[in-house]
Amino acid sequence: GAVVSQHPSWVICKSGTSVKIECRSLDFQATTMFWYRQFPKQSLMLMATSNEGSKATYEQGVEKDKFLINHASLTLSTLTVTSAHPEDSSFYICSAISGVRRNQGDTQYFGPGTRLTVL
Amino acid sequence: LAKTTQPISMDSYEGQEVNITCSHNNIATNDYITWYQQFPSQGPRFIIQGYKTKVTNEVASLFIPADRKSSTLSLPRVSLSDTAVYYCLVGDFNTDKLIFGTGTRLQVFP
Repeated sequence: GAVVSQHPSWVICKSGTSVKIECRSLDFQATTMFWYRQFPKQSLMLMATSNEGSKATYEQGVEKDKFLINHASLTLSTLTVTSAHPEDSSFYICSAISGVRRNQGDTQYFGPGTRLTVL
Repeated sequence: LAKTTQPISMDSYEGQEVNITCSHNNIATNDYITWYQQFPSQGPRFIIQGYKTKVTNEVASLFIPADRKSSTLSLPRVSLSDTAVYYCLVGDFNTDKLIFGTGTRLQVFP
């Protein structure tokens, strides 16, 4: 299957700082990437969908000014958590597909996730 | 937003077959049904995907009835390493959003 990487795998930061998480598709071109957040013992919640070269589409309740997403190339998307607070502590996971027909035959491949802890 | 529900947990023993069902009674017409496996502090790993009837690969089978309002992931002869959380992923008919199921925590005992 296709490989998606994330960096860093974990990060600890102070409240008020910004954190950038990178998501890369290693062996395919990802037209569309997704960002999810997962709290302990809960399911994955979609935060936003990003298409290469265009603005991300955010889910209801997700602050676009707080969670900045950039999908500058077909292999890289970044999520920046700005002015992070303890309630932003979570497990952030990205996924990627090669097309735009999400869940219509284009399989989502997930990165390993990034554990963010805000002190 | 319609919920995509799964049993919270299941227990099994090594060598047994395990069937996990996902209820998605408002699934989008053109969407596939995808199942993932997730270990603690890792991203979900693709298991199998299907649109209707039955799909089988080297690790699992997926059964989808004609109305597509549910799906069943079948794991033949589970081992201890299959202990994980299993999620279905489907699209919602009304919102066109992709929704992960609530997840099923499978515990396999020796």
